[in-house]
Amino acid sequence: DTAVSQTPKYLVTQMGNDKSIKCEQNLGHDTMYWYKQDSKKFLKIMFSYNNKELIINETVPNRFSPKSPDKAHLNLHINSLELGDSAVYFCASSRGSGGSSYEQYFGPGTRLTVT
Amino acid sequence: KQEVTQIPAALSVPEGENLVLNCSFTDSAIYNLQWFRQDPGKGLTSLLLIQSSQREQTSGRLNASLDKSSGRSTLYIAASQPGDSATYLCAVSGGGADGLTFGKGTHLIIQP
Repeated sequence: DTAVSQTPKYLVTQMGNDKSIKCEQNLGHDTMYWYKQDSKKFLKIMFSYNNKELIINETVPNRFSPKSPDKAHLNLHINSLELGDSAVYFCASSRGSGGSSYEQYFGPGTRLTVT
Repeated sequence: KQEVTQIPAALSVPEGENLVLNCSFTDSAIYNLQWFRQDPGKGLTSLLLIQSSQREQTSGRLNASLDKSSGRSTLYIAASQPGDSATYLCAVSGGGADGLTFGKGTHLIIQP
């Protein structure tokens, strides 16, 4: 009965590879998000997405792309991985649209290590 | 651009003490403020959500206040326990940003 789940939990890969992280929420929420937590533990929004709108943080390289097969899933695709992409990536969801007054629920995170 | 600051960055206190964690934000046009807890190597657990129209929220030994006009929030933890040891994160929704804007957290250690 996990609310927001992510797979895999750990991902180790080499520079230049392409990888995906999957996220699923069973809360019936309208909006999903991806956040990045860097080596200094600082969390920053990468994307917010509902079925109407994708909002991209301007600092996110275009090698990163969210893909949503349906309302309950938001996967993160990363092309041409770089060492600096090593981080923990968190998926989250909420009712309403991005920037709303609703509580956000977070997944357990995916630790990506690029070697 | 919204910025969130948390003070102190780290705090170590003996078990049983009451303590206050501080959070400030630069743009008062927020929708809400959330306090989270993060244990090492784990995800985020939502502790309290305060809507912009509210002044405080309580859950068990936790009490969070919000002064939107001055851009401040506090998280009060009563009768601290070793199990409260974690990093506490403050985050705001709105203020010109999409998604949540996080502070860098307060790393809390409760000494048995």
